[in-house]
Amino acid sequence: GAGVSQSPSNKVTEKGKDVELRCDPISGHTALYWYRQSLGQGLEFLIYFQGNSAPDKSGLPSDRFSAERTGGSVSTLTIQRTQQEDSAVYLCASSFEVSPETQYFGPGTRLLVL
Amino acid sequence: DAKTTQPPSMDCAEGRAANLPCNHSTISGNEYVYWYRQIHSQGPQYIIHGLKNNETNEMASLIITEDRKSSTLILPHATLRDTAVYYCILPQGGGSNYKLTFGKGTLLTVNP
Repeated sequence: GAGVSQSPSNKVTEKGKDVELRCDPISGHTALYWYRQSLGQGLEFLIYFQGNSAPDKSGLPSDRFSAERTGGSVSTLTIQRTQQEDSAVYLCASSFEVSPETQYFGPGTRLLVL
Repeated sequence: DAKTTQPPSMDCAEGRAANLPCNHSTISGNEYVYWYRQIHSQGPQYIIHGLKNNETNEMASLIITEDRKSSTLILPHATLRDTAVYYCILPQGGGSNYKLTFGKGTLLTVNP
């Protein structure tokens, strides 16, 4: 079956613009996660969805970042007024609710803010 | 959280077994050990996990010491495509075990 997909695969934007990143989880996975990875760094947890609700938003770096999930499936991560430090690979993962430690990752969206 | 320690890098010849160590001396009794890897320019990939018994799947074997303070991931016949950063992870407990904390991992380079 299809894995986790993300779009766009690459995004170049100008400082101050808003961007929207999309994640399509594996069908049947009720849990969805967003992480980001800056160049040469480890993964940084951003937010976790269980169904359409987000029990943990503690990893979002600032109020410019928001995420939503509708229909228990697709999720979008929105970054408003992008800054150069937002440049990173944004990774989405999904899992079954009962095994959140076994996460399946998408290929990521590479965001470059000029 | 329990921390893990891994060597920053290792080399392995193609076709030979790659043995990747991980120390987790502060692991608690109910914490699982998970292994993921990240091939360059790709998202992380789940490999295997275990609690106290040794585990094997189509990708690898996981050997956990009796005291659970360390483990070894074994790729029995490494190929060039196994070149990646390998992460040993103890998912956070206490109801927050969805947060995977990726450290620096071990960069495994498989050489022809």
